Amino acid sequence: DAKTTQPPSMDCAEGRAANLPCNHSTISGNEYVYWYRQIHSQGPQYIIHGLKNNETNEMASLIITEDRKSSTLILPHATLRDTAVYYCIALSSNQFYFGTGTSLTVIP
Amino acid sequence: DTAVSQTPKYLVTQMGNDKSIKCEQNLGHDTMYWYKQDSKKFLKIMFSYNNKELIINETVPNRFSPKSPDKAHLNLHINSLELGDSAVYFCASSQPSGGQETQYFGPGTRLLVL
Repeated sequence: DAKTTQPPSMDCAEGRAANLPCNHSTISGNEYVYWYRQIHSQGPQYIIHGLKNNETNEMASLIITEDRKSSTLILPHATLRDTAVYYCIALSSNQFYFGTGTSLTVIP
Repeated sequence: DTAVSQTPKYLVTQMGNDKSIKCEQNLGHDTMYWYKQDSKKFLKIMFSYNNKELIINETVPNRFSPKSPDKAHLNLHINSLELGDSAVYFCASSQPSGGQETQYFGPGTRLLVL
């Protein structure tokens, strides 16, 4: 199963872009990379996912390196409401394995 | 409309009791899950059902028994509750397609065993 590693915490100034890195060096060719976030103890919220190409939606952008060993989630204009724990997950055998995630704090 | 709902939101009970948590999804998904998030915030899958059939059963005590009366519902029954069962339990659902499987989570049930 692919394992992902993320920095435990990051800060970002309000209004600036938040760039959250994730390493998934053991990911296999058909495993999608998913990003979720969890605000306080609410249910995890889907953000974005991708396989090889970069993806963008109304919430964020996902940049996946060509070798697929790492990816970056970009929140283009972070707000205080983006303060949360962000999880990078490699979908493996139809299972999500949540790691410890990155605790992002958006600072006013 | 709430896509994935759980009841109750909070559950406080005594050790040794039996309790159930209910989950319903109105997304038309075929697959439903139960996850447990402990005090250290690790989120771990417990069970997965596809069209009412058990697909994934992680190492979970057999005091935990999921039941799926139909594909829109996945309930979790817990016998002989123990202190260590205190956690937040999340239900989720998805519609797997071509290797993709976006899961949508419920708001969680906060279980406290005294």
